[in-house]
Amino acid sequence: EVQLVETGGGLVQPGGSLRLSCTASGFTVSTNYMTWVRQAPGKGLEWVSLIYSGGPTYYADSVKGRFTISRDNSKNTVYLQMNSLRAEDTAVYYCARDHGIMIFGVIIPQHGMDVWGQGTTVTVSS
Amino acid sequence: EIVMTQTPLSAPVTLGQPAAISCRSSQSLVHSDGNTYLSWLQQRPGQPPRLLIYKVSNRFSGVPDRFSGSGAGTDFTLKISRVEAEDVGVYYCTQATQFPWTFGQGTKVEIK
Repeated sequence: EVQLVETGGGLVQPGGSLRLSCTASGFTVSTNYMTWVRQAPGKGLEWVSLIYSGGPTYYADSVKGRFTISRDNSKNTVYLQMNSLRAEDTAVYYCARDHGIMIFGVIIPQHGMDVWGQGTTVTVSS
Repeated sequence: EIVMTQTPLSAPVTLGQPAAISCRSSQSLVHSDGNTYLSWLQQRPGQPPRLLIYKVSNRFSGVPDRFSGSGAGTDFTLKISRVEAEDVGVYYCTQATQFPWTFGQGTKVEIK
């Protein structure tokens, strides 16, 4: 079964750090684009970051310089290192896979987020 | 940043009746590779989002055929041909043509 499980959320003080993990099963993170999306309480979805299968990474302006996305292929896991946390970072953080189609053995991204985890809650408060 | 604007923000519908959600982008979503990376997500209460439509009109695996997507350039529409009780939730359009990826504000679909 294709699945994503996020862990690592919790309560942290402003200025603190957390590392979120997203472990995949049923597919390989190294050959897919993987994203983080967050949702503040009662609010809509906000894209946070993406890591390409080839390695390049991208960030929302609101987290650039503070958050780092990375991947451990041996653990089939994607991470989101969050530093200098602010109250406005309080949200449920979802990991998602970018939908891809296999053509001649290569995954071609279709840029729709097709597999989502259940989310992990991050609360930044003193 | 591309701004995505959805209308309406709330859509009360009668069971069995159609519903439509509009999504407009602040600039064209046609990518340099010729594709338009506009997708639609459904978020039921208490659940993570679920992919319905990708690249404007491609229905994702397992999505009922009462859902359809259309549009081009900057104007897009999600249609539900006959609303069922399980369709209650918030619907988001999202663009992945240009970084940062962005979402619409969401449209809440509820039963009258």
